[in-house]
Amino acid sequence: GQQLNQSPQSMFIQEGEDVSMNCTSSSIFNTWLWYKQDPGEGPVLLIALYKAGELTSNGRLTAQFGITRKDSFLNISASIPSDVGIYFCAGAGSGGSNYKLTFGKGTLLTVNP
Amino acid sequence: DAGVIQSPRHEVTEMGQEVTLRCKPISGHNSLFWYRQTMMRGLELLIYFNNNVPIDDSGMPEDRFSAKMPNASFSTLKIQPSEPRDSAVYFCASSLGIAEAFFGQGTRLTVV
Repeated sequence: GQQLNQSPQSMFIQEGEDVSMNCTSSSIFNTWLWYKQDPGEGPVLLIALYKAGELTSNGRLTAQFGITRKDSFLNISASIPSDVGIYFCAGAGSGGSNYKLTFGKGTLLTVNP
Repeated sequence: DAGVIQSPRHEVTEMGQEVTLRCKPISGHNSLFWYRQTMMRGLELLIYFNNNVPIDDSGMPEDRFSAKMPNASFSTLKIQPSEPRDSAVYFCASSLGIAEAFFGQGTRLTVV
């Protein structure tokens, strides 16, 4: 089956530092999504990417759709304490299924004030 | 605007009991998804509805699981009989026919 390899599994950083995380896949996806999940809550959509090579920003967040369509990365600049949470990548569109999201295992981000 | 609404938020039940989870999708969304989240397996798609019709239920683990969507504003996920290994967080999500799914807050199910 499809698998998304998300790395790193966890990160411990100081407030103000930049963060980078990525996802790779053996399958090609038509869409890459990045979600954030806070404890006890559902995943919240941060950024959606629809074209290979696309670079999209949402405030301090920037994500890119890899040119091979098999990878994506998410950068967070100037981290703040409220950035703490689990970040998930998700791919869709592999195997002709535009709706089925395959999720990575997540990156747990801890920001020390 | 109200997001996806799930109830209950927490459910504790005894093994063998029937459990029903409820979901109200975002108004106007035509796609609805049920996901299960566990530490071991992460987020897994259980079933997908489009325009109230089940399109893909290949992720439903066993016949003990069933889902219905009687109208555009309501869906249920039922487990009967429940087992301890069903303990997980169950999410409902909806979308406007594209990949960008919006998730509810989830139902944390504990089967003892």
